[in-house]
Amino acid sequence: LAKTTQPISMDSYEGQEVNITCSHNNIATNDYITWYQQFPSQGPRFIIQGYKTKVTNEVASLFIPADRKSSTLSLPRVSLSDTAVYYCLVGGNTDKLIFGTGTRLQVFP
Amino acid sequence: NAGVMQNPRHLVRRRGQEARLRCSPMKGHSHVYWYRQLPEEGLKFMVYLQKENIIDESGMPKERFSAEFPKEGPSILRIQQVVRGDSAAYFCASSPRQDEKLFFGSGTQLSVL
Repeated sequence: LAKTTQPISMDSYEGQEVNITCSHNNIATNDYITWYQQFPSQGPRFIIQGYKTKVTNEVASLFIPADRKSSTLSLPRVSLSDTAVYYCLVGGNTDKLIFGTGTRLQVFP
Repeated sequence: NAGVMQNPRHLVRRRGQEARLRCSPMKGHSHVYWYRQLPEEGLKFMVYLQKENIIDESGMPKERFSAEFPKEGPSILRIQQVVRGDSAAYFCASSPRQDEKLFFGSGTQLSVL
């Protein structure tokens, strides 16, 4: 299972773009990269998933370079409600997704 | 389509008692996963079940912990003879297939006195 490394915490202000980078040097050929968001006292919520290049949905974008050894979650124009913990996960199947400690994002007014 | 339902939301037990945590997956989902989370920490995988079968229980302590997902009814995570170290939030997630994203419940907060 590929291990992931991401910053412990990040601060931002409302309206700014936030980029959270995750390192996964040992990613396997069939591994996908998935990001989840977790608010206090709630279960994680799926944000986005990708395999290579760029993926965009209504919530975020995911940038994956050609070597796939890292990925960047981009949150455009964050608001106070985006304050949460963001987890980067790497795996081929969901049989044992490993959640690290995540990145605690704090958005200030 | 209701989401993943976990109950109870909060559970208080005294040391030595049994704790039963229930998880009803989303309709049509046959894969269930249990995770444990301590304060300020990430989620730790415990067990992965598919209807009536335990697929991977490598993250679950071999003693006092058990899990089941019967053909009918919710998945149950059972902790016997609870100790204070079992106090944590326990999250259940479900998916329709093994390679699909996970949908999480709101968790059960277990407090052992």
